[in-house]
Amino acid sequence: DAKTTQPNSMESNEEEPVHLPCNHSTISGTDYIHWYRQLPSQGPEYVIHGLTSNVNNRMASLAIAEDRKSSTLILHRATLRDAAVYYCILEMNSGGSNYKLTFGKGTLLTVNP
Amino acid sequence: GAVVSQHPSWVICKSGTSVKIECRSLDFQATTMFWYRQFPKQSLMLMATSNEGSKATYEQGVEKDKFLINHASLTLSTLTVTSAHPEDSSFYICSATRTSGPTDTQYFGPGTRLTVL
Repeated sequence: DAKTTQPNSMESNEEEPVHLPCNHSTISGTDYIHWYRQLPSQGPEYVIHGLTSNVNNRMASLAIAEDRKSSTLILHRATLRDAAVYYCILEMNSGGSNYKLTFGKGTLLTVNP
Repeated sequence: GAVVSQHPSWVICKSGTSVKIECRSLDFQATTMFWYRQFPKQSLMLMATSNEGSKATYEQGVEKDKFLINHASLTLSTLTVTSAHPEDSSFYICSATRTSGPTDTQYFGPGTRLTVL
């Protein structure tokens, strides 16, 4: 299975941009890069996903390296509510038409007021 | 948005009893539902994948006779932990997707905290 590597933790200040890196050097050509985040004692929440091109949505931006071996989740202005564990995941085909997410340890983002 | 609910949000039971957890997609039909388990300070571990009307596909190491999954409709999946023991105490989280493609967002429930005494 293709795996991802993320820093265990990162810290940011409120109102500042945050760049969360992810390495996925064994990614295959058809693997999508997904980002989810999990607040304490809650289920994860979808953030963004992409394949090759950079992606933007109301929550964040996803910058994907040209060789696809790494990506960066960008929160443009961190707020206290963005403090969570951020997971970078490669969605894998689990057989037939089913795809599954394999969660790694993620990055614990702390946002300072 | 797409909302997934779980019931109960927490449950305490005695060792040896069975516990059923429900997962519902409230405003969409879920072709596929997933069940995860999360121990304290650890990441989510996928337990099984279920498609409506089909038998669940369990991940390696997950006992299918202990963790019974039923996905009888497009909006409801249940996980029954049979003969629960203290080591089954965990945070159980379900998720659902509208279809089963590689770009489909998984919408997660809020989780159910199971404590087995």
